[in-house]
Amino acid sequence: SQKIEQNSEALNIQEGKTATLTCNYTNYSPAYLQWYRQDPGRGPVFLLLIRENEKEKRKERLKVTFDTTLKQSLFHITASQPADSATYLCALGPVGGGFKTIFGAGTRLFVKA
Amino acid sequence: GAVVSQHPSWVICKSGTSVKIECRSLDFQATTMFWYRQFPKQSLMLMATSNEGSKATYEQGVEKDKFLINHASLTLSTLTVTSAHPEDSSFYICSARSQINQPQHFGDGTRLSIL
Repeated sequence: SQKIEQNSEALNIQEGKTATLTCNYTNYSPAYLQWYRQDPGRGPVFLLLIRENEKEKRKERLKVTFDTTLKQSLFHITASQPADSATYLCALGPVGGGFKTIFGAGTRLFVKA
Repeated sequence: GAVVSQHPSWVICKSGTSVKIECRSLDFQATTMFWYRQFPKQSLMLMATSNEGSKATYEQGVEKDKFLINHASLTLSTLTVTSAHPEDSSFYICSARSQINQPQHFGDGTRLSIL
């Protein structure tokens, strides 16, 4: 069956450290993978999109890798700050006849000052 | 850029009322819009996908007659929860996408409470 798995447990790290979040998938062949941030009571905010022919993408303190052989993406936040505390969602697409995007359950990140 | 506006942000109404939620893409044309439902501490559950000018495609288990979706233009989609009941209370979020290989951009959600 098709699955997307993110770190099920919350991730707690100290301010200034690098946070690494994992997204694994099975039985998909996505053309792209996306990462979103969601704060409580708000809609998700798009962060980065990486395509199947790209290995790595960066944006400021964020870095995403995409390994289509391992079927895995890693999302890194360097020099983390308490303001980075949120839930981070990975998403695969396009999927199905409707070209949908499928979302993982998300990983909660807590950055302690 | 890529702003999606969703209104209202919060609705409380009596059981049996119909509620309409609007989703607008403010600075881009959305060929596809999506409607999600989210329960506390859970992920997004896709309810339906709509393309401008055509009927929405509903996910399995979502009642078409209960959740009416209209995507009348490239910048506006509406979700109407008909004859709402307490079990329909939830957080509803829309998103819009300009093209298949582009990211989705989300509204800020609507908290619906049915008494």
